[in-house]
Amino acid sequence: AQSVAQPEDQVNVAEGNPLTVKCTYSVSGNPYLFWYVQYPNRGLQFLLKYITGDNLVKGSYGFEAEFNKSQTSFHLKKPSALVSDSALYFCAVRLSGGSYIPTFGRGTSLIVHP
Amino acid sequence: EAQVTQNPRYLITVTGKKLTVTCSQNMNHEYMSWYRQDPGLGLRQIYYSMNVEVTDKGDVPEGYKVSRKEKRNFPLILESPSPNQTSLYFCASSPPQGRLAKNIQYFGAGTRLSVL
Repeated sequence: AQSVAQPEDQVNVAEGNPLTVKCTYSVSGNPYLFWYVQYPNRGLQFLLKYITGDNLVKGSYGFEAEFNKSQTSFHLKKPSALVSDSALYFCAVRLSGGSYIPTFGRGTSLIVHP
Repeated sequence: EAQVTQNPRYLITVTGKKLTVTCSQNMNHEYMSWYRQDPGLGLRQIYYSMNVEVTDKGDVPEGYKVSRKEKRNFPLILESPSPNQTSLYFCASSPPQGRLAKNIQYFGAGTRLSVL
């Protein structure tokens, strides 16, 4: 079984400040991890993924995420938030050798205040 | 432009009236899937298809059907919709290169369905 937890329903941050959106996962093997972003009235867009290799992954729009195997976490970060980053963010996990069915987190609403 | 197209974007229907939501992709992707998004539950996969004529159940398949007669199309069929199928639906596709499980998915814009 695999699962993803996004412990915060909402994250508020001031423009220009660093942001973190948390994600922890549980799989019975090696994970493939993904972050997607959803803007209002739009489908999900891919941000970044961890497959293997360097634990720090850089993605679109200046976002990055760090894979931490011991803490089973894959937190999304950005050094300086923009108002336009306000959106719904989803973390997802797939088992590397298993089913192609991904498991998504419940989503975290990021609100960046001017 | 590479895209996944869903139609309709909005649909209001009544209990028991069969409906179909279409999904089409122009990227020659082999893998396609359907999700529903509900508040507090995130995205849950309904059905997926690895290729033409190959479909399989996701996490929440009850009350839904799919077909994959052509590579580009993957319609979602609700034979007898019920109010608990009121939701936001997304179609997605993935390219076939390499290990499928690590490939990113491309999502349509969504179909908001209300079943009265």
